[in-house]
Amino acid sequence: EAQVTQNPRYLITVTGKKLTVTCSQNMNHEYMSWYRQDPGLGLRQIYYSMNVEVTDKGDVPEGYKVSRKEKRNFPLILESPSPNQTSLYFCASTREWSGSFGTGELFFGEGSRLTVL
Amino acid sequence: AQSVTQPDIHITVSEGASLELRCNYSYGATPYLFWYVQSPGQGLQLLLKYFSGDTLVQGIKGFEAEFKRSQSSFNLRKPSVHWSDAAEYFCAVATGVAAGNKLTFGGGTRVLVKP
Repeated sequence: EAQVTQNPRYLITVTGKKLTVTCSQNMNHEYMSWYRQDPGLGLRQIYYSMNVEVTDKGDVPEGYKVSRKEKRNFPLILESPSPNQTSLYFCASTREWSGSFGTGELFFGEGSRLTVL
Repeated sequence: AQSVTQPDIHITVSEGASLELRCNYSYGATPYLFWYVQSPGQGLQLLLKYFSGDTLVQGIKGFEAEFKRSQSSFNLRKPSVHWSDAAEYFCAVATGVAAGNKLTFGGGTRVLVKP
């Protein structure tokens, strides 16, 4: 089954304790991205990756890191989490961002709810 | 800069009644527009998309949307709502490399369906 898998789905942690949210897709997609969802704000892009070893900042990158060492995986790293990073996080992917298949049709994971105390 | 506005934060509709969700966008180039639905505890599922051509697009679950360039709108409609349509709906516009290769989302509209 084609899917985007995130782990963990739920996490409660404390300020300053490094954590990683993993994201894996099995569709051989080139493009992957991370969004955070906050009430009333919709989803905002944190980072994205056009392909392996190519990453770039989105609208709200502060406090986050990413890496794209292989095509299927795109982990989100919070080096020193703070309470303002409490949010619902989504990983998404698509075959290519803009091409003959159109632009922007993202496939989303089920989300990771993070609480930082 | 691009933006998407969904004026209605909450909408309550009776089962069997029609539904219309409003979406206005601001984007300088040709817009690629989407509607996604998020059921409780789930990720986002694509309902429909507009890239070009016919301005009335059909999607899954009986939804349709109409692109109106003159009004910068992309409203979502369903003629008869089912209880399973209770969810949060997001409108989004896709941007190219100059604007971050991303979807810019509206704030969402939460739909409650009354029996």
